[in-house]
Amino acid sequence: EVQLVESGGGFVQPGGSLRLSCAASGFTFSVYAMSWVRQAPGKGLEWVSGIGGGGGGTYYADSVKGRFTVSRDDSKNTLYLQMHSLRAEDTAVYHCVKDRIVVVPSIFDYWGRGSLVTVSS
Amino acid sequence: DIQMTQSPFSLSASVGDRVTITCQASQDISNYLNWYQHKPGKAPKLLIYDASNLETGVPSRFSGSGSGTDFTFTISSLQPEDIATYYCQQYDNLPFSFGPGTKVDIK
Repeated sequence: EVQLVESGGGFVQPGGSLRLSCAASGFTFSVYAMSWVRQAPGKGLEWVSGIGGGGGGTYYADSVKGRFTVSRDDSKNTLYLQMHSLRAEDTAVYHCVKDRIVVVPSIFDYWGRGSLVTVSS
Repeated sequence: DIQMTQSPFSLSASVGDRVTITCQASQDISNYLNWYQHKPGKAPKLLIYDASNLETGVPSRFSGSGSGTDFTFTISSLQPEDIATYYCQQYDNLPFSFGPGTKVDIK
């Protein structure tokens, strides 16, 4: 059974940093592309960042480019999202997402329940 | 960037009704379009990929069609457990984008 469990969310002041982790199990993690998708309170889904499987590239939404960094440790079956220069508009539940495809994120076939990040002074 | 629109914003229908949601892309995305179901407090779930392919394990009352810029998602017979928000998502071009969502309720 595929499981994606996010951790690392919490409360942070504007300008601060936070690192999200996603522990994956139930599939060959290293093979598949992975993404982060967020949902701000009362809003819809927004794709944030993705990383290819098998040493593939990294991809970002314009809203986070230069501030967020996605990475993966295939030896630990873990996906990360390092977030810097956080803004109030980054407040959201962040979902870890597995892709059906290996090289480039595209079809999000399994989702974690999410980790809440709150940016406020 | 590709903009995705959905209609209606919300709908209320009776159990057993046929429900249709439309999704429009701001440019041709071929069939690179997926549909997701999201219930409050739960992880979103993939229902349809590549515009018309039913994900494994998803009930056959769900279906999708379309290509290019115009897409349709249908629930052939609405069930109480289908109460959720439904999103379309394009992956033709980065950044990937979702529609604003359609909230489905039981009348």
